[in-house]
Amino acid sequence: AQSVTQPDIHITVSEGASLELRCNYSYGATPYLFWYVQSPGQGLQLLLKYFSGDTLVQGIKGFEAEFKRSQSSFNLRKPSVHWSDAAEYFCAVGGNTGFQKLVFGTGTRLLVSP
Amino acid sequence: GAGVSQSPSNKVTEKGKDVELRCDPISGHTALYWYRQSLGQGLEFLIYFQGNSAPDKSGLPSDRFSAERTGGSVSTLTIQRTQQEDSAVYLCASSPGGGTGNTIYFGEGSWLTVV
Repeated sequence: AQSVTQPDIHITVSEGASLELRCNYSYGATPYLFWYVQSPGQGLQLLLKYFSGDTLVQGIKGFEAEFKRSQSSFNLRKPSVHWSDAAEYFCAVGGNTGFQKLVFGTGTRLLVSP
Repeated sequence: GAGVSQSPSNKVTEKGKDVELRCDPISGHTALYWYRQSLGQGLEFLIYFQGNSAPDKSGLPSDRFSAERTGGSVSTLTIQRTQQEDSAVYLCASSPGGGTGNTIYFGEGSWLTVV
């Protein structure tokens, strides 16, 4: 069965510092991987997605993620965090099941300190 | 509309009452999804519609939950005889097609509290 693990429930980063949010997945076939961000009271916004090809994918708001098949990971990174990045981040995995059925991790809440 | 619209945004109901949650997807999107977000549980898939049909409703937690979609557009999620464990944010999403490769757009959710 598909599953996603986000081992960090909370992370605090100083503004301007780099960020890496961890995501590990379990999937029997080629995964489709996503990162979403949710600000308080808001819906989920897609940051980036990986389907195939280049394992380093660029997203919106300066985020990137790297797919590492050998480690079953899809970690999210940003070189310099802004206060507005404080939010909850969700990693999700889907696959070629005929439709886009996503399995989400439990999320990582990012706090940004001045 | 420009995005996925859900109503009500907040609903407090008494245990045992029925509730209806509405979703208006992005115009032209044929695929529609319902997810539930409970505290500490992440997001759980509930049901998927392609047009007015629901090829996958495997995530509906019990027979108290049902959903329909009419005219290939608006969807309603109904919870009968609500229980306290039904308290959660119910998120609706839509995408241009149902296949993988389509970006899924989420609404802001309906926050349900059962007291």
